[in-house]
Amino acid sequence: EDKVVQSPLSLVVHEGDTVTLNCSYEVTNFRSLLWYKQEKKAPTFLFMLTSSGIEKKSGRLSSILDKKELFSILNITATQTGDSAVYLCAVAAGNNRKLIWGLGTSLAVNP
Amino acid sequence: GAGVSQSPRYKVAKRGQDVALRCDPISGHVSLFWYQQALGQGPEFLTYFQNEAQLDKSGLPSDRFFAERPEGSVSTLKIQRTQQEDSAVYLCASSLGGDYYEQYFGPGTRLTVT
Repeated sequence: EDKVVQSPLSLVVHEGDTVTLNCSYEVTNFRSLLWYKQEKKAPTFLFMLTSSGIEKKSGRLSSILDKKELFSILNITATQTGDSAVYLCAVAAGNNRKLIWGLGTSLAVNP
Repeated sequence: GAGVSQSPRYKVAKRGQDVALRCDPISGHVSLFWYQQALGQGPEFLTYFQNEAQLDKSGLPSDRFFAERPEGSVSTLKIQRTQQEDSAVYLCASSLGGDYYEQYFGPGTRLTVT
């Protein structure tokens, strides 16, 4: 059965810290891995990763995929209170366009 | 439009009533998805359309749930004879299709069944 596992489930840090969120997957016929940020509303798209070893970067956020070890990490440097959210990882696999979702990592950044 | 829109944003229904939730996807997006999200949980897949064809409805929890997208654009999720356990946020997302797997979400409809 296809599955996506995120760790940790929750994390509390202080402003300015750097955090690393993990997403591992076991799926048949991997297509791509996606990261989303969800605050109190709908998830917003952050990154889509298809190739191993190529870092995607947007401001203080970056992400990379390892297709050999079947995982991805999302890094956030110099965290701010506005980074507090649930970060969701999802994988597209097979011919079905349905995404397989992890349970998310709840990040709280304290001032 | 610029993004996915959903209406209504909030809906309160009495147990047993029927409700209809609407989703307007991003113009030109081929794929449309419906999700149910309970508080503190990730999105749970309900159903998916490619243009007007409903290709996967494996996530619909019961035959009280029905979705359509007759012209391949706007979609409606209908819930008949609502129950309290149907209370959740219903999210719609659209995707361009092809090699573009990223889905863009609407703001959701919060359904409360009393």
